[in-house]
Amino acid sequence: LAKTTQPISMDSYEGQEVNITCSHNNIATNDYITWYQQFPSQGPRFIIQGYKTKVTNEVASLFIPADRKSSTLSLPRVSLSDTAVYYCLVGDWGSSASKIIFGSGTRLSIRP
Amino acid sequence: EPEVTQTPSHQVTQMGQEVILRCVPISNHLYFYWYRQILGQKVEFLVSFYNNEISEKSEIFDDQFSVERPDGSNFTLKIRSTKLEDSAMYFCASRGVLNTGELFFGEGSRLTVL
Repeated sequence: LAKTTQPISMDSYEGQEVNITCSHNNIATNDYITWYQQFPSQGPRFIIQGYKTKVTNEVASLFIPADRKSSTLSLPRVSLSDTAVYYCLVGDWGSSASKIIFGSGTRLSIRP
Repeated sequence: EPEVTQTPSHQVTQMGQEVILRCVPISNHLYFYWYRQILGQKVEFLVSFYNNEISEKSEIFDDQFSVERPDGSNFTLKIRSTKLEDSAMYFCASRGVLNTGELFFGEGSRLTVL
């Protein structure tokens, strides 16, 4: 699994767009980038996954530059309910992915 | 929407007692995981399970821990002799499709060891 680095915490305000960047300098060719969200006292929840360029779903967008050494999770128009810890995971999710490791994540706090 | 269910939601036990935490993964999933999260800390990998055997385990998963899938639907984590430091939230997760990092997590079982 590629080592990832992301900010420990971020603050923003309701209605703003929030971008959380994750560095993964030693990403391998077969690795995918996956983001999770975790609310207090709940299990992590899958948000989005991508390999290159841009992926968008109803929750977020994921931007991946050509060198894939970083990725940015973009949350449009956040609300108080987006306050959570966000985890960036990078790995080859094929049959060998038996050990899926979470890092320390980014604690996002949204203020009114 | 299919979901992973865990029981009990909260268990209080005395140090040295055995605890079994139960999970029902999503029915067509093949890969199963246990994680734990000590209050205020990160989600820690314990063990993964596939084809009725352990695929990988962490250094946390010592001889006091065991997992099994006794009946094709339940997936259990047993702690033989609990310690104070086993107090944590334990999450079960399952994964159905290869080539995706999408794990489906249960709501967790909070274990308190006194």
